[in-house]
Amino acid sequence: DTAVSQTPKYLVTQMGNDKSIKCEQNLGHDTMYWYKQDSKKFLKIMFSYNNKELIINETVPNRFSPKSPDKAHLNLHINSLELGDSAVYFCASSTALSGGEQYFGPGTRLTVT
Amino acid sequence: DQQVKQNSPSLSVQEGRISILNCDYTNSMFDYFLWYKKYPAEGPTFLISISSIKDKNEDGRFTVFLNKSAKHLSLHIVPSQPGDSAVYFCAASFSGAGSYQLTFGKGTKLSVIP
Repeated sequence: DTAVSQTPKYLVTQMGNDKSIKCEQNLGHDTMYWYKQDSKKFLKIMFSYNNKELIINETVPNRFSPKSPDKAHLNLHINSLELGDSAVYFCASSTALSGGEQYFGPGTRLTVT
Repeated sequence: DQQVKQNSPSLSVQEGRISILNCDYTNSMFDYFLWYKKYPAEGPTFLISISSIKDKNEDGRFTVFLNKSAKHLSLHIVPSQPGDSAVYFCAASFSGAGSYQLTFGKGTKLSVIP
């Protein structure tokens, strides 16, 4: 029974396209996150979101936008894809009581050609 | 500007011996520290954590030590097993803004040799 799932697992697309990555958690958590792992293997926070507040890492281009249809889902939309967007994107979730313990999805490897 | 640093990209240890993974941080606002384990093609999985009010936390074979004055933490795995071979990420957070955004180190790849 998958706790945090992401689709698709792999995504290959061309520069300039718009794409979305979906994330769902069945843990009943109230906060969800998107992280980017770049070619240097750094995992960096992009967004954190609960039903009250969206916190955006200021280094994230505004071509990236999170969309949450409900508490269990946080999708990532990317407009006008660029070569530098190629990375592995991880979704995660947590509860406010967890003290920072987050549960991660398996990742989506995005390749922009 | 790396706020969380793992200076050893890799570590090899014999099965049954102790593995010690190190992590340093620069931001004194961090008040919660975590270790994650990651296998290839999977997401990181939570291993163990420690609050800044403690200096040690133990869970089975895993112990995390925190030295706040040195801004240093370490993960000890005793005894090491081949299944422990993975990349270990140190992460830190602070409880401001109502959500725990994690700042990760670059990871240390642990290889446990049978």
